[in-house]
This record gives sequence, C-alpha cells and structure tokens, in this order.
Amino acid sequence: ETGVTQSPTHLIKTRGQQVTLRCSSQSGHNTVSWYQQALGQGPQFIFQYYREEENGRGNFPPRFSGLQFPNYSSELNVNALELDDSALYLCASTALQGSSYNEQFFGPGTRLTVL
Amino acid sequence: RKEVEQDPGPFNVPEGATVAFNCTYSNSASQSFFWYRQDCRKEPKLLMSVYSSGNEDGRFTAQLNRASQYISLLIRDSKLSDSATYLCVVIPAGGNKLTFGTGTQLKVEL
Repeated sequence: ETGVTQSPTHLIKTRGQQVTLRCSSQSGHNTVSWYQQALGQGPQFIFQYYREEENGRGNFPPRFSGLQFPNYSSELNVNALELDDSALYLCASTALQGSSYNEQFFGPGTRLTVL
Repeated sequence: RKEVEQDPGPFNVPEGATVAFNCTYSNSASQSFFWYRQDCRKEPKLLMSVYSSGNEDGRFTAQLNRASQYISLLIRDSKLSDSATYLCVVIPAGGNKLTFGTGTQLKVEL
C-alpha cells in the first residue's frame, strides 16, 4: 500500500452536477498531482499542487479546479459535469524538492460515472 | 501526434515466452523515463526507471535510445502474474508531471 488514500471509491452523478473528490497524501509528501484516466487510455495530467499553490496544469478546462490544504491533502472539483468526464480519477503524492524527480505514489482512484 | 505512443496490444503470449514492448516520445527535451504497471481497475505502480545505459531488474530489462526517442521493455520467462497493462511514462525537462502512453496490454496464458 502506498499510503495515499482517495474518497469516495465510486460515484455516480448526472450531467450538469458538481463533484468533489478527495485525496490524502502519503506522510512526508508535500505535493499532490491529479490525473484523469478514461477507459482504454493512459492517465492524463490535470494539475499539481505544491504547498497549497497550483504548480502546473494540463489541458483541462477551468471547470476542473483544485485545492491543497495545510496538511497537504487535496480536493479536485469538477463543475457542470459532462458525459466525457466519466473516468477513473487518480491522485499521486510525492515529496517535491527542487528540480530533482521523486517517485509519485498513486492512490487507488475514484471511479466517476456521469449519466 | 501524441506525446507518448505505444502499441495498445493486446499481446497474448504463452507462459515462459519473451515479450518486448516499445514506446516513442515526441519531446526531445524529456528528462526522465519510466515503465509503470497497471492491473485491471487498479492504480499504476512504478515498475522501473529507464536509462540510456539500460537497466535490468530480474526478468525485466528496460532501454532508452535518446537519439531515436525510443523506450523499450523486455520481459523474459513470462509468468501468469505478469498479465497487466504496461504504461510508458515520460517527464519533460524542468517539469514534474507524468506523461503517460495509452498502455500496452499483456495477457500471459497457460
């Protein structure tokens, strides 16, 4: 187990609704990244949070937003849900130190279905 | 053109076979390279890093060719437990985001 937890594990919403997904990072990690994985595809980078600030964003519209809290846990919010938002949402935590890369550890994901 | 391209497979191989996966990436300034393994409906897990000098971990060998922007993974003596999707991952220079390929599905059969 990586020590990264996500909630909920599964979620069903309807088009137009809003959703909040949660991630608790591994102890000692200060950075959380969020990824969207559609069926049959690799994960796509949504954004990264480092010490409560957004630290990079992928090609996702503004209705995808996030937060990081002082304990380094994080939320992903998606407004005005669309059918194509149905996917596995993964968060990954790491200890970001300068420009060197440290392994990112993934949580089990939240499976979102939009009807 | 996708940043990271892989053959999606599936590759169906008998137990004991040797199988090779390939991956190409488009950004020549990419700095770090990895293979991740993802079991069905689970999260991706790091399998191994990839270096130009090549690296080996038991039955797994990974190789990077920077000139051709090409990454490979070789699995020898395949086991049933190797059945999974193998994701090629690249990190751009100065960045920290993981850029994934679509993944190659491997099925090892009796």
